[in-house]
Amino acid sequence: KNQVEQSPQSLIILEGKNCTLQCNYTVSPFSNLRWYKQDTGRGPVSLTIMTFSENTKSNGRYTATLDADTKQSSLHITASQLSDSASYICVVSAIGYNRLAFGKGNQVVVIP
Amino acid sequence: DVKVTQSSRYLVKRTGEKVFLECVQDMDHENMFWYRQDPGLGLRLIYFSYDVKMKEKGDIPEGYSVSREKKERFSLILESASTNQTSMYLCASSASRGSGTGELFFGEGSRLTVL
Repeated sequence: KNQVEQSPQSLIILEGKNCTLQCNYTVSPFSNLRWYKQDTGRGPVSLTIMTFSENTKSNGRYTATLDADTKQSSLHITASQLSDSASYICVVSAIGYNRLAFGKGNQVVVIP
Repeated sequence: DVKVTQSSRYLVKRTGEKVFLECVQDMDHENMFWYRQDPGLGLRLIYFSYDVKMKEKGDIPEGYSVSREKKERFSLILESASTNQTSMYLCASSASRGSGTGELFFGEGSRLTVL
């Protein structure tokens, strides 16, 4: 059973619009959650990390939120650009466990 | 700039051939990983290593082996390639569990096609 579920699986948005990606997890005990961006044909790159005590963190036009009580995270993209077209992968780490739990990714396509 | 380099971006092999995928990192990281990525399945862990000459099976090790003779190099070996091993292979490294935040640094990927 996948411990990290992402939604929507894919979406198409107009350039300049905002969008929000969701990540729900069941990983426990929670250590941290990362959002990675993967451009087509490239390896994933970390955008941001959320720890238990953080509920909002921004990286440019990307803002991640974390609700550790409901075990949900979101990634908000503001004023989307064509370069935001990518897969966004949610990765959750558990305390004392040497494996990471990966979501299957949100595929975002930004159109002019 | 930190870097994880995978030896081949694209490979085409025939069924039954032995395949070597090489990965080198220049960050002095202890941990190295091999994943495969397939549409609809996401990233799945094949093998990982926390130290030289040490290896542990991931979630899908069948049909694969690995070698880590030097800290910076982690190789993935397909002893006898099969068509169901056609995939994107991603190598990653991270700092030791006692330091850093566990961020994975990925290579650019190796797209393997087995005919």
